[in-house]
Amino acid sequence: AQSVTQLGSHVSVSEGALVLLRCNYSSSVPPYLFWYVQYPNQGLQLLLKYTTGATLVKGINGFEAEFKKSETSFHLTKPSAHMSDAAEYFCAVTYSGGGADGLTFGKGTHLIIQP
Amino acid sequence: DADVTQTPRNRITKTGKRIMLECSQTKGHDRMYWYRQDPGLGLRLIYYSFDVKDINKGEISDGYSVSRQAQAKFSLSLESAIPNQTALYFCATSTSRQQETQYFGPGTRLLVL
Repeated sequence: AQSVTQLGSHVSVSEGALVLLRCNYSSSVPPYLFWYVQYPNQGLQLLLKYTTGATLVKGINGFEAEFKKSETSFHLTKPSAHMSDAAEYFCAVTYSGGGADGLTFGKGTHLIIQP
Repeated sequence: DADVTQTPRNRITKTGKRIMLECSQTKGHDRMYWYRQDPGLGLRLIYYSFDVKDINKGEISDGYSVSRQAQAKFSLSLESAIPNQTALYFCATSTSRQQETQYFGPGTRLLVL
């Protein structure tokens, strides 16, 4: 069985500051990891994903995440927050061949950007 | 036009009523999924379908049923709605070749009174 833990249901940062959203996973097999973003009243949009290969993954809107197997983590970062980054962020996990069973999502982190 | 559409976008119904949520996609994907989102709980899988003839239960299928009418259409039914089914419902699609990458519709907000 796999699971995802997102530390912090709400994270508040100042505009221009570093964004760090934490995600830890549990999986008995090599994971595929995802970050999705949900803007108000919209569906989920894929930010980035890790399947195999390079452990530092770059996504849209300046976000990136690093897969660290030893720490079972896949934290999301952005060097400089923008007001438009305010949204709900979800980390999700599946595994090779397991995507057909759907993704296992974390509970989400609401990112607040202070002016 | 959106690749994954859901109708209705918002729905209010009463306890005991039957309700159907519909999902259509123009992406040509063979796999489709229904999730529900509750505040503080993230998204949980209700049902998924590999193709028209293959339907599978997810984590929380009790109280729900689905129908895959065509490759492009996947509907979710609540046979007798209850208040704790009040949630935001999402449809998603993926290909069999890259099944781990799912594309989501805009969601249907359901309120059961």
